[in-house]
Amino acid sequence: KAGVTQTPRYLIKTRGQQVTLSCSPISGHRSVSWYQQTPGQGLQFLFEYFSETQRNKGNFPGRFSGRQFSNSRSEMNVSTLELGDSALYLCASSFTGGGTDTQYFGPGTRLTVL
Amino acid sequence: AQRVTQPEKLLSVFKGAPVELKCNYSYSGSPELFWYVQYSRQRLQLLLRHISRESIKGFTADLNKGETSFHLKKPFAQEEDSAMYYCALSHGFQKLVFGTGTRLLVSP
Repeated sequence: KAGVTQTPRYLIKTRGQQVTLSCSPISGHRSVSWYQQTPGQGLQFLFEYFSETQRNKGNFPGRFSGRQFSNSRSEMNVSTLELGDSALYLCASSFTGGGTDTQYFGPGTRLTVL
Repeated sequence: AQRVTQPEKLLSVFKGAPVELKCNYSYSGSPELFWYVQYSRQRLQLLLRHISRESIKGFTADLNKGETSFHLKKPFAQEEDSAMYYCALSHGFQKLVFGTGTRLLVSP
């Protein structure tokens, strides 16, 4: 079974631009979560989607948004990029998103904002 | 608020020595706790969860609600155990609250 895939793997943007990251979950998984990983803040939850609906949201500004499509693929968008948005963005998928469901992580997208 | 604390950034041991990676949490309710591991150049993956009460790769972790701890232990460390270890707590739909991680280095 193919694992979680994320595209692109690396991205360089400048301040003020916007960016869209993509995540394809494991086949059959309907829940997709996004995390931001930085050296200073560690791993922080952004949001979770299930059946095209956002069910849970972390403490990030409205510049961070996401969506999920009917095939469970998900995208996250960051508008008006700031230097502090430079991070590794991880996506994870699971069957139902229940509290004890195992989350399977993708390799991440490394975003650099100049 | 939910919080996971891993007090050690780096833990360095010799092969064959016992290992204990500390994790403390704060959570109002019954927590679901996990240990995730990231080996060099690999993606983050689940090592074990408290609800399963299982041993994976020789690692075990016991939930101590009185001390709000979920320490990860292994009696005899191996070089291949060298990795980054994250303790995490589940809060709501697929929201994992992670600790800052402990790098375990096992020397020959």
